[in-house]
Amino acid sequence: GQQLNQSPQSMFIQEGEDVSMNCTSSSIFNTWLWYKQDPGEGPVLLIALYKAGELTSNGRLTAQFGITRKDSFLNISASIPSDVGIYFCAGQETGYSTLTFGKGTMLLVSP
Amino acid sequence: ETGVTQTPRHLVMGMTNKKSLKCEQHLGHNAMYWYKQSAKKPLELMFVYNFKEQTENNSVPSRFSPECPNSSHLFLHLHTLQPEDSALYLCASSHGGTDTQYFGPGTRLTVL
Repeated sequence: GQQLNQSPQSMFIQEGEDVSMNCTSSSIFNTWLWYKQDPGEGPVLLIALYKAGELTSNGRLTAQFGITRKDSFLNISASIPSDVGIYFCAGQETGYSTLTFGKGTMLLVSP
Repeated sequence: ETGVTQTPRHLVMGMTNKKSLKCEQHLGHNAMYWYKQSAKKPLELMFVYNFKEQTENNSVPSRFSPECPNSSHLFLHLHTLQPEDSALYLCASSHGGTDTQYFGPGTRLTVL
C-alpha cells in the first residue's frame, strides 16, 4: 500500500525558533491532515487541506498542500514550550478511502 | 461533553482475561474507527464502521472483536491477548465520506 515519509523524526529547538516538518507520499493524495498528539492523549486535528497548492494557517501554524499532491509541510512560528508533542501528517487518496499516517515528528522545545 | 470519549483510559490485563474498550462520540458522525498505536510505528487502522456496518477489517487477529450497536458507540472486545498487543488503542469518528477524523484520548492497554 501507499507509504508516507515524515521528516524529521524528532527536533529539539529553543523557544522562539521556527519549525518546519514535511511529509511525502508515493501516491497522489486528495486530502492532507496535520495532527498533534500530547503525551497520554489522542491526536488532535490542527489543519486540514483539501486542494493542491492550498496554504492554510491556524494561529502560529501554517500548512501547505503541495502542488504535486504528493507532499505537504507544516510550519510552526515562534515556538513555545506547549508546542511540545508529536506531530502527525495523514493523507487520503480518494474521497472515501481511509487515512494513511506518517510515523510522526517529535518536537521538544527548550525554554 | 467532549467530542470523542474512551473508557477506560488505562487497562492492565492478563492473557486469559476478557475485557472491553468503549468509545462514544457526541459529534453526530456516522463513521467510527479503531486504531492501534505502538511505539515507533505509524497508527495502524484496525476496524472501520460506517452507519453501524463494518466496512474494513485490516487483517486483525480474531482475539480483537469490534461491536458497533449504533452510530454513537463503538466497542472493542478483547480476549486471550498477547503481550505484543500492549499499545495505545485509539477511537476516532468522522462524517461518512469526508474522513476528517476526530480522535478520542485513547486507552493505554498493558497485557501481562
